[in-house]
Amino acid sequence: EDKVVQSPLSLVVHEGDTVTLNCSYEVTNFRSLLWYKQEKKAPTFLFMLTSSGIEKKSGRLSSILDKKELFSILNITATQTGDSAVYLCAVEARPYYTGANSKLTFGKGITLSVRP
Amino acid sequence: DAGVTQSPTHLIKTRGQHVTLRCSPISGHKSVSWYQQVLGQGPQFIFQYYEKEERGRGNFPDRFSARQFPNYSSELNVNALLLGDSALYLCASSLPGTLNTEAFFGQGTRLTVV
Repeated sequence: EDKVVQSPLSLVVHEGDTVTLNCSYEVTNFRSLLWYKQEKKAPTFLFMLTSSGIEKKSGRLSSILDKKELFSILNITATQTGDSAVYLCAVEARPYYTGANSKLTFGKGITLSVRP
Repeated sequence: DAGVTQSPTHLIKTRGQHVTLRCSPISGHKSVSWYQQVLGQGPQFIFQYYEKEERGRGNFPDRFSARQFPNYSSELNVNALLLGDSALYLCASSLPGTLNTEAFFGQGTRLTVV
């Protein structure tokens, strides 16, 4: 069974701090790893990673994947109160049917609180 | 462009009742997936539909069923509701068969079973 473990489960930081969120996984026929930010309801897409060692960046956020060690990290620099959210990591396995995407297996999420 | 839309946004039902949740995918997306998110947990996969056929099913009882219509919208049905079915139900749509497998999520339906 596919498995995703995120750590820590929650953390509190102050504005301006840098945080690193961890995600380890076990999945058969790995296809991609995705990070989402969930503030109230809909998870919003941050990154999709498919190749090891290639960092993806978007503003103050960056992420990298290690397919050998089966983990990914999400870094947030110069945190702001607006970064407070639950960060979800999900893995996708290769689908068994052509023309369809397979399911996403999510971790429990990391609750980040950024204090002013 | 309209994103993934779900209805209703909130719902309160009594144990034993039946519920139908609806989802309209992003225009052009043919794959729809349903997830259940219990408070404090990550979303858990329920179903995936593509071209009106079930393409994947998670570890949920037969009380849960779904279907996809010719316009690619989808319904999730839950029979004989239990208190444990209280959760946020998320619908995601995506373009199938491409490298960009990013799933776009709707705002969800918050179901409370009392």
